Amino acid sequence: DAGVIQSPRHEVTEMGQEVTLRCKPISGHNSLFWYRQTMMRGLELLIYFNNNVPIDDSGMPEDRFSAKMPNASFSTLKIQPSEPRDSAVYFCATGGGAGGYTFGSGTRLTVV
Amino acid sequence: GENVEQHPSTLSVQEGDSAVIKCTYSDSASNYFPWYKQELGKRPQLIIDIRSNVGEKKDQRIAVTLNKTAKHFSLHITETQPEDSAVYFCAASGGSYIPTFGRGTSLIVHP
Repeated sequence: DAGVIQSPRHEVTEMGQEVTLRCKPISGHNSLFWYRQTMMRGLELLIYFNNNVPIDDSGMPEDRFSAKMPNASFSTLKIQPSEPRDSAVYFCATGGGAGGYTFGSGTRLTVV
Repeated sequence: GENVEQHPSTLSVQEGDSAVIKCTYSDSASNYFPWYKQELGKRPQLIIDIRSNVGEKKDQRIAVTLNKTAKHFSLHITETQPEDSAVYFCAASGGSYIPTFGRGTSLIVHP
């Protein structure tokens, strides 16, 4: 089991550019979460999918953020246009419904 | 929604001492309480969890206790070692399965 796979590991982009983060969940896990981690705010839930359907996106900060899960094996988080304050580590985590969520390695995003 | 408070934010101990991290939650419907350890530059990793039908769970040097009435749960690490140094997060989730995380505790174990 390769675990939750995120790409890229690091992303440096200029303000105004589009950024796409990717996540491949653990096979069989039907819950998928996108989190943002910063020193100031800790781990913030951005969006939660269950069986590929967005259930709670109340944590998505602005319309610049969007997330999709077209199938059970892939999800994306897109920021368009990116801003310096979006700089953070973005984690994807998945779970099998009974708890025990597994995190990916994260994407460290730097917007300059 | 659920609100999880975690204390202390920083904990410094000598090697061999015990460490205790405490969390409180607000939603009485929460029934699953995992703890995660995050080493510098790495992902949070599940180290132990407890469900609301038990009051205590142990795994070698770590243990978690849960008081449903008071809505608080704690992580206990005994005989701490330098490699225990990390940020520890508690979380709570209920029927929605959406975990709400505490702000984290930075544990420093001095050799």
